[in-house]
Order: sequence, then C-alpha cells, then structure tokens
Amino acid sequence: QSVVTQPPSASGTPGQRVTISCSGSSSNIGSNTVNWLQQLPGTSPKLLIFGKNQRPSGVPDRFSGSKSGTSASLAISGLQSEDEADYYCATWDDSLNNWVFGGGTKLTVL
Amino acid sequence: EVQLVESGGGLVQPGGSLRLSCAASGFTFSSYSMSWVRQAPGKGLEWVGNIKQDGSEAFYVDSLKGRFTISKDNAKNSLYLQMNSLRPEDTAVYYCARRNFDFWGQGALVTVSS
Repeated sequence: QSVVTQPPSASGTPGQRVTISCSGSSSNIGSNTVNWLQQLPGTSPKLLIFGKNQRPSGVPDRFSGSKSGTSASLAISGLQSEDEADYYCATWDDSLNNWVFGGGTKLTVL
Repeated sequence: EVQLVESGGGLVQPGGSLRLSCAASGFTFSSYSMSWVRQAPGKGLEWVGNIKQDGSEAFYVDSLKGRFTISKDNAKNSLYLQMNSLRPEDTAVYYCARRNFDFWGQGALVTVSS
C-alpha cells in the first residue's frame, strides 16, 4: 500500500481532456513538489512533470500538473492514442525520509 | 546525450547476492545524485534508495536497509547496487535514474528463484 494514492485506471477518447489524481498527506504532497512519470508499455519511465508544473524539454504542453493541499493532478489535453500508458506520481515524504510513488494509473484511450 | 545503462542482472537463488552496475554518460556524473528504483513484474514503481552526488552518503527505503547497498564511483561514472540475502520478492526490473528521475536506464531484470 503506497502512502500516495492514485486511481488504478482512467480512460478517455481522442481529443478529450483527462485528469489523473494523486492523493497524499501533509508529510509528502502537502510539503513537497510532485513529479509525474509516464511509462509506455515495455519501456522505462519518462519524466513528464517536475517542480511546479515544469516540463522537461520535449514534453508537449498538452501535459500539465497542479497541486492543491495534499492532492495533485496530472491533466492531459487533446488526448492521443500514443498517450496510452501507465502514469505515476512521485514525491518526497518528510516523515519516511524517502521518495514515494503512487501505485500508478493505467490510461486507456478508447 | 544522457545515457544510463544497467548491467549485472540475472537469475540468483534465494539467499544469494548480486551486484548491479549503471554506467553513465553524456553528463557530469559527479554533479548529480542518483537513485535506484525497482518494478516487480506487473507492479508499480518502488524507490530503493539514492546516493549523494559525491557518493558520501546513501539513503534507503526502510524495508531494504541492511540488505542493499548503493555506491557511486565518480571516476568511473558508475553507480552500483549491491544486493545481499536476496528473496523471491526482490524479483524485479531495477532501474537507475538521475537525480529526481529526469533520466532512466533501460533496466536490469533480477530474478530470485531456486
């Protein structure tokens, strides 16, 4: 059981906007920034969002992150078939003194 | 181009040991902390631990403390994960990742089974 919680699945149709949530506590999301990672089938994870909604070079601006209190969200606009992947949130936990990952959300593009 | 290449994975019996390596290139390795993250088959990501950029101190998830050791050789641009007293539940793909997960290797599969 992860200390940060994501829904196991999400879905949307091409062109739609979808959001994936990540719920934590005051010792993790409430105190630290949240990274979002994308893992396409059979590949290594890739960083999508870090810091305060920053995107590494090459990540489309269709991907955006936000945080409110002890929850964070990843929004994907203009959904495309190639966005079908597993998405993970990650943040530092001040109580555990380690990084924690959400359990992952499998996004299906219908 | 940043590259991280893991090696050393394989099949090991329960109770055995294995040492993974991660060869880094394309960036100033000595300037970055590094992490190990693992993923059991069909499961999510689990942070194993990380090490400071100068290799002076490493940190671990509580459940692995005492069995796993992370080290860093900046002269060789290499990161290591020494795994001892391996258990079947340690079976996973092990990834090395730079700093706050901005770059990842391709992963090394470790299978613990008799």
